[in-house]
Amino acid sequence: DTAVSQTPKYLVTQMGNDKSIKCEQNLGHDTMYWYKQDSKKFLKIMFSYNNKELIINETVPNRFSPKSPDKAHLNLHINSLELGDSAVYFCASLSPNTEAFFGQGTRLTVV
Amino acid sequence: GDSVTQMEGPVTLSEEAFLTINCTYTATGYPSLFWYVQYPGEGLQLLLKATKADDKGSNKGFEATYRKETTSFHLEKGSVQVSDSAVYFCALSDRDNNNDMRFGAGTRLTVKP
Repeated sequence: DTAVSQTPKYLVTQMGNDKSIKCEQNLGHDTMYWYKQDSKKFLKIMFSYNNKELIINETVPNRFSPKSPDKAHLNLHINSLELGDSAVYFCASLSPNTEAFFGQGTRLTVV
Repeated sequence: GDSVTQMEGPVTLSEEAFLTINCTYTATGYPSLFWYVQYPGEGLQLLLKATKADDKGSNKGFEATYRKETTSFHLEKGSVQVSDSAVYFCALSDRDNNNDMRFGAGTRLTVKP
């Protein structure tokens, strides 16, 4: 069983569209994150949630809205997609001993 | 805020060469330190970690020692293999700061036969 799973793995969409990326973890962890990885592999934290509550909200455009229906899920909705949103988005969860478990990533391409 | 600075790449080595990737950090609390590895097309995987000063993390021949006095956590391997080619990320997790988890910029390592 995959510990942290994201869907879809690839997403190609036009500018201006609204899209969602889903993330689920079956590890029972309380803390989950969304990261954005650009073409130079730089990994930037976007959000973190602890037990469905928003904990960290970096300087991210408000077109990005995370939703955590329960502590096993942290979805990312993006409105009015722009070319600069093209990147790989990673979901991760944090174990009690602070090890992060990452999903496989979602490669978003905005055309 | 917390941050991690690591050696910029790319790094290209011959097989069996010695590897060092430097990493330093700044943190408001007393963080745990990590090295993660990312193989092509995959997510990040934990390579090793250290949770307190002078701890040494080790795995698959890689080592790093938590140096509080120099705020460093340099990654070393005595003899690299072609299969070690990947991107390596230094990271910290700060329990005193809402488990804020920060990553360095990543260092791409290519090992040639």
